[in-house]
Amino acid sequence: KAGVTQTPRYLIKTRGQQVTLSCSPISGHRSVSWYQQTPGQGLQFLFEYFSETQRNKGNFPGRFSGRQFSNSRSEMNVSTLELGDSALYLCASSLGGAGNYGYTFGSGTRLTVV
Amino acid sequence: AQRVTQPEKLLSVFKGAPVELKCNYSYSGSPELFWYVQYSRQRLQLLLRHISRESIKGFTADLNKGETSFHLKKPFAQEEDSAMYYCALLGMDDKIIFGKGTRLHILP
Repeated sequence: KAGVTQTPRYLIKTRGQQVTLSCSPISGHRSVSWYQQTPGQGLQFLFEYFSETQRNKGNFPGRFSGRQFSNSRSEMNVSTLELGDSALYLCASSLGGAGNYGYTFGSGTRLTVV
Repeated sequence: AQRVTQPEKLLSVFKGAPVELKCNYSYSGSPELFWYVQYSRQRLQLLLRHISRESIKGFTADLNKGETSFHLKKPFAQEEDSAMYYCALLGMDDKIIFGKGTRLHILP
């Protein structure tokens, strides 16, 4: 079966712009979580969606938002981009809660803000 | 506070030697812990979960509540074990918290 698909793979944006990243989970997985990965901070939790509802949120500013559609696909949006938003953004899907089954990760979207 | 600490950024081990990747956690309650691995140019993937008590690719991890540790071990390292390893904790708020990772380098 297809894995977790993230698009696009790479993005270059200018400070102040906004960006939307997409994640298609494994078929049947209803939970989608987003992480920001940087060399200095490692993997930091952004948010989790389950059945179109945000179930959990990390400590990121309101510029970071997300949503989930009825087919479980998820998008995350970052508005008013800052240089510090440059990172690899990872999406992970899970059958139910992440604790029960662990995550399946996508390849990530590498965002560069210039 | 809920926290995962991996004290070593880099661990170099000779092929055939034992491997131990350290992980310590801070959590009040019964923790659920995981090890994830990322091989070169591959996705981050789940290696093992402590609740499953499984051995994957020769790796095992035992939860030691007294020492709040969940170290990953393998008796004989192989070159294909070279990768980035992340210890992770399921927090009380259902978020998975990752450590900063340890790069394991197997020397020939």
